Amino acid sequence: QVQLVESGGGVVQPGRSLRLSCAASGFTFRDYAMHWVRQAPGKEPEWVAIIWHDGSNKFYADSVKDRFTISRDNSKNTLYLQMNSLRAEDTAVFYCARAGIVLIPDYWGQGTLVTVSS
Amino acid sequence: DIVMTQTPLSSPVTLGQPASISCQSSQSLVHSDGNTYLNWLQQRPGQPPRLLIYQISNRFSGVPDRFSGSGAGTYFTLKISRVEAEDVGVYYCMHATQFPYTFGQGTKLEIK
Repeated sequence: QVQLVESGGGVVQPGRSLRLSCAASGFTFRDYAMHWVRQAPGKEPEWVAIIWHDGSNKFYADSVKDRFTISRDNSKNTLYLQMNSLRAEDTAVFYCARAGIVLIPDYWGQGTLVTVSS
Repeated sequence: DIVMTQTPLSSPVTLGQPASISCQSSQSLVHSDGNTYLNWLQQRPGQPPRLLIYQISNRFSGVPDRFSGSGAGTYFTLKISRVEAEDVGVYYCMHATQFPYTFGQGTKLEIK
């Protein structure tokens, strides 16, 4: 079955960096685009970024553009999110999700919590 | 960005009774390819979101047939024919017509 396991979250000071990882299994990772979606406490989810199956295309939400970078290593079945210049408003649970039918996020991981605080 | 607006924000329902949630988009969700990428997700307490319905009315793998979706253009509806205890949670509409994808504010389904 499809499994997505995020890691790398934690408490970080404003202005610092963090890299999240998402280990994928149960499907052919290199065949699928992948998303990052975040959810601040008590709020609706917010789409963050998508990367094509081969890494050839990437799109970002305006709120993270120029600060966050999505990448993948198909040899390791792993998705990444490099987050720089973190702000308090980036505090959220970050989910990776497979981009299935017509790029819709169909399977989601359990998420990793990022807290930006001094 | 497309704004997604859900009503109601809270829906107390009796077990075994139907429930209905509406979602309106600020612009048409019809893609240039002719498809409409409106989706519904369920988030049970303490769990990640789970895809229920994609492209207005298609149930995702493993989703019970008591869930159904309908609508067109800018107005969409999720219906649960007979609410069960496991349906408690927050329901979100989400469009995937263009980047950025955006979500509604969520509708909390609770049992009376």
